[in-house]
Amino acid sequence: SYELTQPLSVSVALGQTARITCGGNNIGSKNVHWYQQKPGQAPVLVIYRDSNRPSGIPERFSGSNSGNTATLTISRAQAGDEADYYCQVWDSSTPWVFGGGTKLTVL
Amino acid sequence: EVQLVQSGAEVKKPGESLKISCKGSGYSFTSYWIGWVRQMPGKGLEWMGIIYPGDSDTRYSPSFQGQVTISADKSISTAYLQWSSLKASDTAMYYCARRGDQHFDYWGQGTLVTVSS
Repeated sequence: SYELTQPLSVSVALGQTARITCGGNNIGSKNVHWYQQKPGQAPVLVIYRDSNRPSGIPERFSGSNSGNTATLTISRAQAGDEADYYCQVWDSSTPWVFGGGTKLTVL
Repeated sequence: EVQLVQSGAEVKKPGESLKISCKGSGYSFTSYWIGWVRQMPGKGLEWMGIIYPGDSDTRYSPSFQGQVTISADKSISTAYLQWSSLKASDTAMYYCARRGDQHFDYWGQGTLVTVSS
């Protein structure tokens, strides 16, 4: 089955740029989606198909995907961006695969 | 406005059965797949299975095949997740989510299931 690897935690200074990676074998050939989950809340889709933002998601959130790594980038990080972030791909072996999640801390 | 509203928290004993629900509104319920996702305490997201309410076509993750049953009643725009015999290890938050192509675009608020003797 396909596996996705995320760092357990990422820290970013207030107002700086955070980058959260998602590794997978030739992940660049797949569509990657990203979810934000704040404590006690349901996940929210923030990026779909590598780099598309749903309605209502700030332009500060962006995504890229190439080779073996996909990246979620959060510009001008705010305290309200503190959350767990999960990447997800669709794979023919196990259709909906999630990464283990990354805890973002804004310092 | 698309909404998925899940049933409330449950506390059950091992061996008991349970059925939780997810009611969709604000869109054509029969035209979108509904998935179920488990989140164990302090852990990540795991896809369990998915159903197409239009014809009840259902797919399961190998990890959950035979452990749960997913169903839907399109007449009341509701999807279900059920267990016939709960275990302590089923203690988790369960989310339903609407499939938007290869991702999940709308999520329910979650149903906490606690299994304890």
